Amino acid sequence: AQSVSQHNHHVILSEAASLELGCNYSYGGTVNLFWYVQYPGQHLQLLLKYFSGDPLVKGIKGFEAEFIKSKFSFNLRKPSVQWSDTAEYFCAVNPPNTDKLIFGTGTRLQVFP
Amino acid sequence: EPEVTQTPSHQVTQMGQEVILRCVPISNHLYFYWYRQILGQKVEFLVSFYNNEISEKSEIFDDQFSVERPDGSNFTLKIRSTKLEDSAMYFCASSERGGRNQPQHFGDGTRLSIL
Repeated sequence: AQSVSQHNHHVILSEAASLELGCNYSYGGTVNLFWYVQYPGQHLQLLLKYFSGDPLVKGIKGFEAEFIKSKFSFNLRKPSVQWSDTAEYFCAVNPPNTDKLIFGTGTRLQVFP
Repeated sequence: EPEVTQTPSHQVTQMGQEVILRCVPISNHLYFYWYRQILGQKVEFLVSFYNNEISEKSEIFDDQFSVERPDGSNFTLKIRSTKLEDSAMYFCASSERGGRNQPQHFGDGTRLSIL
């Protein structure tokens, strides 16, 4: 079945550690890709998006993601996390011919000082 | 920064009762969406709405569900006769223009608990 997969369900890091969260999708054709973040008690906020062009996209708060078409992946990275990055991170895909978003299960990130 | 607002933040309803979840999209946005997240599961698309019509709906969005834009600012989701399995977090989203190359902006969600 077509889906979006986030393999890391819960990640625990110390401040200043590097972060990489995996996202894979199984849709063919041209897709749009998003990462959303949900801080505790807040709404989903857009971190970054990929529509076309440079496969390395930079978002807010020092996050970036790389689209690798051959691997159907769109992994999220940050070189040095902060305690304030503690949140849930959702990968989302916009499949061809629709504007609905298909979400992954989310990754809960906890950063300890 | 403009936000999508949802009310109430938490709704508790008896099974079989009707419930209306309300959303105020960002003011210049024209495309509206509802998603839901059952506890421990993925955020799932329910319906998209443009120009006073449903653009697309999922299999979840059956005859028990309806959406409406009753005035120029509100966008509502009605569940006619709630079931236990309707308990979930419901998120409203809006985008300025439709189509695939538009980011969707989400509200804080309404937690719906069916007893």
